[in-house]
Amino acid sequence: EAGVTQFPSHSVIEKGQTVTLRCDPISGHDNLYWYRRVMGKEIKFLLHFVKESKQDESGMPNNRFLAERTGGTYSTLKVQPAELEDSGVYFCASSRGQQETQYFGPGTRLLVL
Amino acid sequence: GNSVTQMEGPVTLSEEAFLTINCTYTATGYPSLFWYVQYPGEGLQLLLKATKADDKGSNKGFEATYRKETTSFHLEKGSVQVSDSAVYFCALYSGSARQLTFGSGTQLTVLP
Repeated sequence: EAGVTQFPSHSVIEKGQTVTLRCDPISGHDNLYWYRRVMGKEIKFLLHFVKESKQDESGMPNNRFLAERTGGTYSTLKVQPAELEDSGVYFCASSRGQQETQYFGPGTRLLVL
Repeated sequence: GNSVTQMEGPVTLSEEAFLTINCTYTATGYPSLFWYVQYPGEGLQLLLKATKADDKGSNKGFEATYRKETTSFHLEKGSVQVSDSAVYFCALYSGSARQLTFGSGTQLTVLP
């Protein structure tokens, strides 16, 4: 069974540019989560999809962040326009049920210059 | 709200030394507890978990016991190897919050 995959693995952009991160969950996992780790701090929750619906987006920092999961398969997280403080590692995770173990992807390392 | 407090790092040990990484938590209800590990250049991997009080999770020689009375989930290994060098994250999942809450991570370096 393939794990959670994320693309790109690294992204370096300038302040003000747009970046789109992609996550492909494990096949059959209805629940998809985005987290991020900024500046070596703790990993923080961003949002949670159940299929194509946003279940909880309480962790999204501001309206420069937009997440979608059209068709309930892969998800994208767009940052527009990017700011310096958005630099960090963005993790995606998926689980079959909400109470079940979340499996993480390798992360996307974003650097905003 | 929920929170996880994890032992500050970095931790440096010699090979075959005993490892303890402390983790305590605050949560409503009865959370599930996890240890995730991030090896250099890789993503987060589930190391072990426990879903109820007094459960012991174990994997790859690592163990952690869910202690409700002390709200703790300390990670231990009797004899560490160089290949255990990684960042270790303690986390909890609460059904009320429906998200993982992580500690700040502990960098472990094992020297030969």
